[in-house]
Amino acid sequence: RKEVEQDPGPFNVPEGATVAFNCTYSNSASQSFFWYRQDCRKEPKLLMSVYSSGNEDGRFTAQLNRASQYISLLIRDSKLSDSATYLCVVNERSGYSTLTFGKGTMLLVSP
Amino acid sequence: SQTIHQWPATLVQPVGSPLSLECTVEGTSNPNLYWYRQAAGRGLQLLFYSVGIGQISSEVPQNLSASRPQDRQFILSSKKLLLSDSGFYLCAWSEGNTYGYTFGSGTRLTVV
Repeated sequence: RKEVEQDPGPFNVPEGATVAFNCTYSNSASQSFFWYRQDCRKEPKLLMSVYSSGNEDGRFTAQLNRASQYISLLIRDSKLSDSATYLCVVNERSGYSTLTFGKGTMLLVSP
Repeated sequence: SQTIHQWPATLVQPVGSPLSLECTVEGTSNPNLYWYRQAAGRGLQLLFYSVGIGQISSEVPQNLSASRPQDRQFILSSKKLLLSDSGFYLCAWSEGNTYGYTFGSGTRLTVV
């Protein structure tokens, strides 16, 4: 069965900390990778796509390791507003593809 | 720009009652459309997806059904709700397989 696995957390960090989330996926043929953010009782929102060469958006850095089937998200200088659940998302299926969502990792940033 | 609308935001329904949730997308043509469910404390589960009018693919056999009567309209239905149908239902759209999905604001369904 094809899956996307994440540490559920929660990760409790103080403001200003650096925190890293990891994710593994089972289908080596997967092509597209994303990180989503979901606030409590809200819909998930796309945070960033993950590219093979790695990519950065402000305080957020995403990395992809195809050989190990591993994705990471690094958040630097954590803010209170970063508190949310972070979902790892992978295009898992062959043929017509749909996205498979991990169960998410909860981040709690405290003052 | 593209927008996605989903309603109602909250719904409380008795066991055995019917269900109809509607989702519409504006500002794009022939979007891929999806219905997901998120049960309390669990991940997102794909229920149905559609790549065109009248075309529905079902991911999980259950008492739910979906229809796409118009290009940008996606409906989730049930004839008789079960307690286990409670959850957060999310509609989403995308322009293809390589792009991320954009979700509607969701419907929180409680079956009592």
